[in-house]
Amino acid sequence: GQNIDQPTEMTATEGAIVQINCTYQTSGFNGLFWYQQHAGEAPTFLSYNVLDGLEEKGRFSSFLSRSKGYSYLLLKELQMKDSASYLCAFSTGGGNKLTFGTGTQLKVEL
Amino acid sequence: GAVVSQHPSWVICKSGTSVKIECRSLDFQATTMFWYRQFPKQSLMLMATSNEGSKATYEQGVEKDKFLINHASLTLSTLTVTSAHPEDSSFYICSAIVGGNTDTQYFGPGTRLTVL
Repeated sequence: GQNIDQPTEMTATEGAIVQINCTYQTSGFNGLFWYQQHAGEAPTFLSYNVLDGLEEKGRFSSFLSRSKGYSYLLLKELQMKDSASYLCAFSTGGGNKLTFGTGTQLKVEL
Repeated sequence: GAVVSQHPSWVICKSGTSVKIECRSLDFQATTMFWYRQFPKQSLMLMATSNEGSKATYEQGVEKDKFLINHASLTLSTLTVTSAHPEDSSFYICSAIVGGNTDTQYFGPGTRLTVL
């Protein structure tokens, strides 16, 4: 079957680094997405990993291990505006269906 | 680029009425759009995949006769919630795949539906 798991909540300090983990199980895996969602708004695209390894994009980096069914999103130099829900999702099948995790609510504090 | 809009952004309706939500790709053509539903503090649940010029593909447990999807052009898909009931109150979000790039889905701003 399909399964995707990430922590429900995390708290971090402004200026610090935080890592949000995501584990998944599925067949027909295409790739792993990370989206940011502020309350009451639609998700915005952060990253997409197809191959194993780390993809760096500014303050955000995303890592994927296909063999382990594991990904993480790394946020550096945290800012207050980074307080949001971070959703990991895997893509499967030829139609690129996305299956989302429940999201990790990140709270950045002073 | 890759902007997706939705209309309306919020709607309140009486139980038993029907509500239509539009999803438009503003600066690209989208052969495939997706409709999601999100209940408070829960993740996005895929309802259906909307393909231009053909019938939508519904996920298991989603009533196709209740949630009517029409994808009549390469820039517009509509979701009609028929005979809405309070349990249909939710945040409805569409997404679209940019033509030529079948990987990344770009999301619309969502429509908050409240059924009284």
